Amino acid sequence: AQSVTQLDSHVSVSEGTPVLLRCNYSSSYSPSLFWYVQHPNKGLQLLLKYTSAATLVKGINGFEAEFKKSETSFHLTKPSAHMSDAAEYFCVVSATSGTYKYIFGTGTRLKVLA
Amino acid sequence: NAGVTQTPKFQVLKTGQSMTLQCAQDMNHNSMYWYRQDPGMGLRLIYYSASEGTTDKGEVPNGYNVSRLNKREFSLRLESAAPSQTSVYFCASTIMGQGRDQPQHFGDGTRLSIL
Repeated sequence: AQSVTQLDSHVSVSEGTPVLLRCNYSSSYSPSLFWYVQHPNKGLQLLLKYTSAATLVKGINGFEAEFKKSETSFHLTKPSAHMSDAAEYFCVVSATSGTYKYIFGTGTRLKVLA
Repeated sequence: NAGVTQTPKFQVLKTGQSMTLQCAQDMNHNSMYWYRQDPGMGLRLIYYSASEGTTDKGEVPNGYNVSRLNKREFSLRLESAAPSQTSVYFCASTIMGQGRDQPQHFGDGTRLSIL
């Protein structure tokens, strides 16, 4: 069965410094993986997705993630944090084909300090 | 360019009252989902509809019912609201049947308080 673990519930960075949000997954199959961002009182917005093509995936707003099969990880990074990046981030794995389900991590709240 | 629209955005109910949360998408997606979001627990699947005419239970279906009215609309009903159902509810949609790499599109949520 698939599962997703977001290793940090809260991350604080200073504006202009790098961001690293960690995600490990478990899957019996070649997974599809997603990162979403949720700003306060809003729905989830897709940042990027991995679908077995390039292992380094570029998303919106300068974010990228690297799929590492040997480490079963899909960490989200950004070279330089901006105040507008403060939000909650969710790592998601698409469940086994045919079940139409997605498995969500518990989220990482990113705080950006001025 | 509406995407996924949820109504209402906010609602306060008394214990035992019933209500229906509405969701509509205009992207011609075949699969639709209802989640609840509680602090520290991420999103938990309540019900989903893989295609028009089908619905299936998710992780936390107790106390809820759903109706896939047509391809566009998927409603969630609380028959007898309980304080434990206080949460933020999200509707999502996607295209399934074309591989597992399709992301979901989310509405802005319904914030529901049960007193």
